[in-house]
Amino acid sequence: GAVVSQHPSRVICKSGTSVKIECRSLDFQATTMFWYRQFPKKSLMLMATSNEGSKATYEQGVEKDKFLINHASLTLSTLTVTSAHPEDSSFYICSACPHGAGICYEQYFGPGTRLTVT
Amino acid sequence: GENVEQHPSTLSVQEGDSAVIKCTYSDSASNYFPWYKQELGKRPQLIIDIRSNVGEKKDQRIAVTLNKTAKHFSLHITETQPEDSAVYFCAASISSNDYKLSFGAGTTVTVRA
Repeated sequence: GAVVSQHPSRVICKSGTSVKIECRSLDFQATTMFWYRQFPKKSLMLMATSNEGSKATYEQGVEKDKFLINHASLTLSTLTVTSAHPEDSSFYICSACPHGAGICYEQYFGPGTRLTVT
Repeated sequence: GENVEQHPSTLSVQEGDSAVIKCTYSDSASNYFPWYKQELGKRPQLIIDIRSNVGEKKDQRIAVTLNKTAKHFSLHITETQPEDSAVYFCAASISSNDYKLSFGAGTTVTVRA
């Protein structure tokens, strides 16, 4: 159990276009999902916390108008990179916490999305 | 915010030897400390975790120790095998802060056959 999927796994887009990445919890409901960015040979950096039915909370330095997050249901959160630029090229990973657990110790990670902006 | 430091950045060990990775954290309110293994291009996989009310936890060849007073925790892998080669990340979170994970910089472990 506790499977999180992401789609697409890889995407190449042109500079100036927008890209949407989906994160789904397949066998559990997630009140909270997290979005991370990971540059090559670097650590995971938290971008934002996504709570179902409410606005996302962004970490310092992350532009909320550039990285749009929607968590419309208990099984789906989306990250849209708007007006993408080459410096946005990265590995984007989501994670999810089960709903109703009361606590969220273990986060289940998605397989990641490799974004390349040309 | 929470700052997690991890050492060493790279670690090369002979197969069968032990590997130790150390992390320190800054926020004394942190109460959950997971360790993740990540292979190239893959998702992080939880390998072991420890909560602040416990000082040590072991799962077969993997163990984690926590010293709350000193604010540091360590991962110990015994009898290393080539398949243990990967990047390992420590992390810390605070239950009162949405359980947001702060990650260490990672340790690239190479097990030589």
